[in-house]
Amino acid sequence: KQEVTQIPAALSVPEGENLVLNCSFTDSAIYNLQWFRQDPGKGLTSLLLIQSSQREQTSGRLNASLDKSSGRSTLYIAASQPGDSATYLCAVRMDSSYKLIFGSGTRLLVRP
Amino acid sequence: GAVVSQHPSRVICKSGTSVKIECRSLDFQATTMFWYRQFPKKSLMLMATSNEGSKATYEQGVEKDKFLINHASLTLSTLTVTSAHPEDSSFYICSAGDSQETQYFGPGTRLLVL
Repeated sequence: KQEVTQIPAALSVPEGENLVLNCSFTDSAIYNLQWFRQDPGKGLTSLLLIQSSQREQTSGRLNASLDKSSGRSTLYIAASQPGDSATYLCAVRMDSSYKLIFGSGTRLLVRP
Repeated sequence: GAVVSQHPSRVICKSGTSVKIECRSLDFQATTMFWYRQFPKKSLMLMATSNEGSKATYEQGVEKDKFLINHASLTLSTLTVTSAHPEDSSFYICSAGDSQETQYFGPGTRLLVL
């Protein structure tokens, strides 16, 4: 059974700092991995999607990497801003059935 | 981008009553929709997969008679919480899959059962 873990559970950093969020999964036979952002009381916004054949994806200040063999993904946020404060969730998809398995999330607070 | 809506965004009901939550794909057809439940400061737990025109597939531990799912059209799926109890209070999120196998998430529905 696939299990997805995110470390740390919570993170507080000063504005401008670069930071890394971690996601690990127990079964490396994934179809793809996705990072989401969730603001309090809101739905999910997709940030980056990495296919199983890819090593990384970039969008603006965000960079996500994937190491399937070790069951790990990282989300790198450069030059953090208070507007980046949110919960970040990673999710893996095991096959072509759409089903996503989510990690528990990392709550990020960027202090002005 | 594709938009998924949910209605209502918040609902408060008395214990024992039933509550229906709608999930709509506004600008695309979704043959598959998903219903998730999220407890405070926890991750999303998949409850069921809803396929248009067929019965929903429920995850282990989810009571199908408690959480009724109907996917009558390619743009609408509904989740009905029957005989709601305080422990059913939660944040319910739906998602819809497009033809490119991408999931788009709704804004969520906050349910509070008194």
